[in-house]
Amino acid sequence: LAKTTQPISMDSYEGQEVNITCSHNNIATNDYITWYQQFPSQGPRFIIQGYKTKVTNEVASLFIPADRKSSTLSLPRVSLSDTAVYYCLVGPSLTGGGNKLTFGTGTQLKVEL
Amino acid sequence: EAQVTQNPRYLITVTGKKLTVTCSQNMNHEYMSWYRQDPGLGLRQIYYSMNVEVTDKGDVPEGYKVSRKEKRNFPLILESPSPNQTSLYFCASSLLTSGRGDTQYFGPGTRLTVL
Repeated sequence: LAKTTQPISMDSYEGQEVNITCSHNNIATNDYITWYQQFPSQGPRFIIQGYKTKVTNEVASLFIPADRKSSTLSLPRVSLSDTAVYYCLVGPSLTGGGNKLTFGTGTQLKVEL
Repeated sequence: EAQVTQNPRYLITVTGKKLTVTCSQNMNHEYMSWYRQDPGLGLRQIYYSMNVEVTDKGDVPEGYKVSRKEKRNFPLILESPSPNQTSLYFCASSLLTSGRGDTQYFGPGTRLTVL
């Protein structure tokens, strides 16, 4: 599984856009990039997933450059409730040779008023 | 509502007393997995199952057992719990989809304390 590097923590204010970048230099051809969100004492929750270019859903956008060696999770207009740990995961699908999710330490996002 | 449920949510027990943490999903997912989360170590996979009667070890299987007799259930068994198994445990499930990435759905967690 490709090793990922992301900032340990980030601070923001309500209403701002937050961009969290994840580095994954050793990403493989069949790897997907997935972001999860975790609140204290709760299970991780899927946010968004992509393979290349840009993906957008109702919660976030994911930007992936052509070389796929990094990715950026963009959270528009954050609120206090977005305070959580965000994990970047890179790996193949379960049918493509993966059998688990490897979580790093994630990025602790703190949103203040 | 589509969900993964775990029971109990909180458990305090003593060393050596066998216990089972249940996990059930109502999404007809083939894949299920157990993770433990410890401060500074992130989530680590204990066991996983690709389908009924198919299970395999994850990164930290020692001291744990699992079974997958039905598609919806994946219990985690601690035959003789020890204090180093004090942790927050998560069950997860996923549909196996070919050709694209997977989305794993996590349960609410079980906080286990072994005295």
